[in-house]
Amino acid sequence: AQSVSQHNHHVILSEAASLELGCNYSYGGTVNLFWYVQYPGQHLQLLLKYFSGDPLVKGIKGFEAEFIKSKFSFNLRKPSVQWSDTAEYFCAVYTNAGKSTFGDGTTLTVKP
Amino acid sequence: EAGVTQFPSHSVIEKGQTVTLRCDPISGHDNLYWYRRVMGKEIKFLLHFVKESKQDESGMPNNRFLAERTGGTYSTLKVQPAELEDSGVYFCASSQTRQGDEQFFGPGTRLTVL
Repeated sequence: AQSVSQHNHHVILSEAASLELGCNYSYGGTVNLFWYVQYPGQHLQLLLKYFSGDPLVKGIKGFEAEFIKSKFSFNLRKPSVQWSDTAEYFCAVYTNAGKSTFGDGTTLTVKP
Repeated sequence: EAGVTQFPSHSVIEKGQTVTLRCDPISGHDNLYWYRRVMGKEIKFLLHFVKESKQDESGMPNNRFLAERTGGTYSTLKVQPAELEDSGVYFCASSQTRQGDEQFFGPGTRLTVL
């Protein structure tokens, strides 16, 4: 069965620090990869996605993620976080078997 | 454009009672998904509708859960009878195409079973 592992449950950073959130998945076939974000009091919303092509994808608000097929990873990065990035982040995988699987989520707290 | 809406936002019921959750997807979205998040764990897939048909209900925990989508518009998820372990946040999402496209999520319904 496919699974998604997010390495950190809670990350605390100061403003302007760099961010990298880890995501690994287990599935041997073709995947579509997503990062979703849930800001406090808001809906889950799409941050970025990878379907094919350039493995480095850019999303909203300066976020990017790199798909490394050999490592089954799709880590999320941002060079300089802001207080407004405080939120919960979810990595998700959609496989060609028709399944959507989410990770446990990582709560990011950015100190002003 | 209105987003995905869910009702109620919160529900507190006693063990053994029945609860019905409702989801209204974005207009024109044929695909509707139900998910559940328990105790801060992962968001778990429950089932997927394409229009009014259940495409995949492999994530439904047991036969106390019944989902419907009559007419292919809104969907309901009924839990009968509710148990303590059913507590969690139930999310609904919709998408235009099935093939791994972005899903638009509703705000969720927080269900507490006492």
